[in-house]
Amino acid sequence: DTGVSQDPRHKITKRGQNVTFRCDPISEHNRLYWYRQTLGQGPEFLTYFQNEAQLEKSRLLSDRFSAERPKGSFSTLEIQRTEQGDSAMYLCASSLDSSNQPQHFGDGTRLSIL
Amino acid sequence: KNEVEQSPQNLTAQEGEFITINCSYSVGISALHWLQQHPGGGIVSLFMLSSGKKKHGRLIATINIQEKHSSLHITASHPRDSAVYICAVSKIDNNNDMRFGAGTRLTVKP
Repeated sequence: DTGVSQDPRHKITKRGQNVTFRCDPISEHNRLYWYRQTLGQGPEFLTYFQNEAQLEKSRLLSDRFSAERPKGSFSTLEIQRTEQGDSAMYLCASSLDSSNQPQHFGDGTRLSIL
Repeated sequence: KNEVEQSPQNLTAQEGEFITINCSYSVGISALHWLQQHPGGGIVSLFMLSSGKKKHGRLIATINIQEKHSSLHITASHPRDSAVYICAVSKIDNNNDMRFGAGTRLTVKP
């Protein structure tokens, strides 16, 4: 069990560019979550997968954001035409497929938009 | 108003002091979580509880469902306890929907 891993740890890009982040959950975890965290705030829910199915999306997830989990294992979060306001820490978490299982978090990807 | 409120926002303590961080919530929950976040972003789950009290080493978490309030206590605090402590709740109508407090930044000085 290597835990939840996220790549890259840091991403700096110019406004308007597209970025893609990857999350590898704990291998036996069916559920995968994406969160966004801005400075001084707690994480905010973005989206959730049960295996390969994206079951919930927050209203925070504008049409510039897309997430996939094609084989029910790793997931990607893409942001198109990045804006200054997208600068944040993007956190991934995974859990077992059962009620009230604790979520295990990755170390996050810190995105900075110049 | 945020559904999960924490206090204080910032807390500075001397090594050895007893520390209490408070969390109040306004929604129906199936569970409450206490999380620890170190600089650099990594989040570690400390406790998940739905009633009563849990203890792990020097950490104690309590919850009062009727009052919609939880506390995290740290006994004999140590500089390595310095971190942001986040309270989060799983909503009762959708336990995949977690709502987070803004966190309490704890600094323990030697």
